[in-house]
Amino acid sequence: DAGVIQSPRHEVTEMGQEVTLRCKPISGHDYLFWYRQTMMRGLELLIYFNNNVPIDDSGMPEDRFSAKMPNASFSTLKIQPSEPRDSAVYFCASSSQGPYEQYFGPGTRLTVT
Amino acid sequence: GDSVTQMEGPVTLSEEAFLTINCTYTATGYPSLFWYVQYPGEGLQLLLKATKADDKGSNKGFEATYRKETTSFHLEKGSVQVSDSAVYFCALSNAGNMLTFGGGTRLMVKP
Repeated sequence: DAGVIQSPRHEVTEMGQEVTLRCKPISGHDYLFWYRQTMMRGLELLIYFNNNVPIDDSGMPEDRFSAKMPNASFSTLKIQPSEPRDSAVYFCASSSQGPYEQYFGPGTRLTVT
Repeated sequence: GDSVTQMEGPVTLSEEAFLTINCTYTATGYPSLFWYVQYPGEGLQLLLKATKADDKGSNKGFEATYRKETTSFHLEKGSVQVSDSAVYFCALSNAGNMLTFGGGTRLMVKP
C-alpha cells in the first residue's frame, strides 16, 4: 500500500513568493496532520483535520500560513508570502485512530532565500 | 500542560552495544506513550507504544516499559546495529489529545 505522499520533496524559493505544499493521506485515514520541523524548535504541530474539517489550527504561526483539505485524499499547506524563517521540513501525517499511530510522509524540505 | 523530556544527543555507540535512551513525561491522568523513529531523509515511523502502566512495548528488538511511578518510558535495545542510526522521539497522547513529542535523540552507531 502507498504511504503518505508529499510533493514536492524539495522546494527552493525567494522571499515573498507563494509556496504550496501538497499531501495525499493514506486511503481510509480520516485524520490529517501538518507538522514543521526545525533544529531550533523541533517538531511542531501546525494544524490537523478530521473528516476534511480543520479541528485545531492553533499551531499555525501566522496569517501567512493557510491549509485546506478539499477532499479526503488531498490537502495543501500554503505560505504567502514566504520568509526565510519559514525554511524547515514540513511533514504531513495521517491516521485512522485519532492522534495514535500517525503515519508520516517523507516531508518537504523548504528553503526560502 | 503535558510535556516530554528526552536525553540530549547525540548518543554514539559501537555496533552490538546496549542502548538506553531516557524519556520522562509530565501529564495528568493516564497518557499513552510512544516511541517514533526518524531515519535520515524520511518521516517519523511509529516504533512501539504502551497504553497503560506496566505495559511493555516492543518492536524490532527495541523495548520500553511504561513506568507510572517514575513517569518514564525509557527505550532499550540489547545490541544495536549500524542500521539503527536515526533520531528517536518519545511522545505521549493524553485523553485522546494530540501527540506531544520530546525533542528527539540522535543515535549514531559505528561499525
